[in-house]
Amino acid sequence: SQTIHQWPATLVQPVGSPLSLECTVEGTSNPNLYWYRQAAGRGLQLLFYSVGIGQISSEVPQNLSASRPQDRQFILSSKKLLLSDSGFYLCAWSGTPGGYEQYFGPGTRLTVT
Amino acid sequence: AQSVAQPEDQVNVAEGNPLTVKCTYSVSGNPYLFWYVQYPNRGLQFLLKYITGDNLVKGSYGFEAEFNKSQTSFHLKKPSALVSDSALYFCAVRDSNSGYALNFGKGTSLLVTP
Repeated sequence: SQTIHQWPATLVQPVGSPLSLECTVEGTSNPNLYWYRQAAGRGLQLLFYSVGIGQISSEVPQNLSASRPQDRQFILSSKKLLLSDSGFYLCAWSGTPGGYEQYFGPGTRLTVT
Repeated sequence: AQSVAQPEDQVNVAEGNPLTVKCTYSVSGNPYLFWYVQYPNRGLQFLLKYITGDNLVKGSYGFEAEFNKSQTSFHLKKPSALVSDSALYFCAVRDSNSGYALNFGKGTSLLVTP
């Protein structure tokens, strides 16, 4: 079966510091991968998605970037964090045969101070 | 363009009663529709989907949803609510003519009281 991991689970970083969040998927190959941010409240905002190694699509201009160095690894980064980057970051994957649903990781709670 | 609306911020229901969480959508092509549930500080869990076929789809934990094309709705239902169903519920849509992204509603908080 497939599993998706995210780390760290929680992170407190000062403004201006760099960021690296990692997501890995097990049990599948060539998944589509996604990064979402969920701000306080509820709504999910799609930040990036990737359909293959080195292929990144950005949905919203951000202080963030994403990379996919390996088939099942997706990294979210920032060179300098802003207060507004605080939130709950969720990684997801899709690609089951005949399916379009996305499966989410446990999330990373980022607080920028 | 695709969009989804969840008109209720919160739904309250007594345990044992039926529950409905509403969702309406807008797409230019054929809709692919999904329901997810989120417990506090957790990721989203996939409940069910409609891609094609039978308008009534059944999913995890006794939940079901009915696709209504004329009303562009995809309401989530359960015949008998449990206290443990209390959580945040998200409806999502993907347009068959668009790319890979799912467009999520703002979520509906379900509170089931004993």
